Amino acid sequence: EPEVTQTPSHQVTQMGQEVILRCVPISNHLYFYWYRQILGQKVEFLVSFYNNEISEKSEIFDDQFSVERPDGSNFTLKIRSTKLEDSAMYFCASSEAQGPLMSSPLHFGNGTRLTVT
Amino acid sequence: KNEVEQSPQNLTAQEGEFITINCSYSVGISALHWLQQHPGGGIVSLFMLSSGKKKHGRLIATINIQEKHSSLHITASHPRDSAVYICAVIGGSQGNLIFGKGTKLSVKP
Repeated sequence: EPEVTQTPSHQVTQMGQEVILRCVPISNHLYFYWYRQILGQKVEFLVSFYNNEISEKSEIFDDQFSVERPDGSNFTLKIRSTKLEDSAMYFCASSEAQGPLMSSPLHFGNGTRLTVT
Repeated sequence: KNEVEQSPQNLTAQEGEFITINCSYSVGISALHWLQQHPGGGIVSLFMLSSGKKKHGRLIATINIQEKHSSLHITASHPRDSAVYICAVIGGSQGNLIFGKGTKLSVKP
C-alpha cells in the first residue's frame, strides 16, 4: 500500500538554525498538510497546501515557517530560525481529494522528531 | 472556537473486553476523524465519518451530528490495540483539523 514518507525521522538542531523537513506524499494525492505535536500535547494543524499554494494556515504558522513543493514529489516544511519551542514531532499528511462529502481520508507519515537545543 | 473533548483520558482493559471511547465537540462540523497513534508516534487514520456508523474489522465508529458526539468502539480488544486514539474534527478545510487530546488505551493480556 502506498504511504507518506518523511525524512529524517529525527533531527537535532541548534537554536537559530534553519531546518527543512521533507515529505514525499502519496503520488496521486493533491492535498498536502503539516501538523505538529509538542511532547505530551495534542496534535495541531499548521498548514494545508494545494495547487502549489497555501490554502489554509493556523496561527502557529508564522513568518518563520514556509512550505514548498520544489518538484513533483517532495513537500517540504522550512523553519527559518528555530526556537526551543519548535521542538516537536512534525507530521506530514496527504489526501487524494477534498470536498463536501469528505470522501478522501488522510494518510499520515511517521513524523520527524525535531529537537532544538 | 471548536473544542474537542475526549473521554476517558486513560483506559486500561483486559484482553477481550469491549472498549468505548467518546468524543464531544462544541460546534457544528461536516466530518470527524478517528486516528490511532502508535507508541512510536506514527498516526494512522481509522475512520472519517459524517453520519451514522462505520465498521472496519473489530472497530466501529458512530457519530451523532445533532448531539455533537462520536464514539469509537473496539470489540474483543487485544494487546496490539494498545495505542492513543485521537478524535479530530474539521476546523476549516478538510485538512484543518482540531484534535482532541487523545485517549491512551492499554489492553492487558
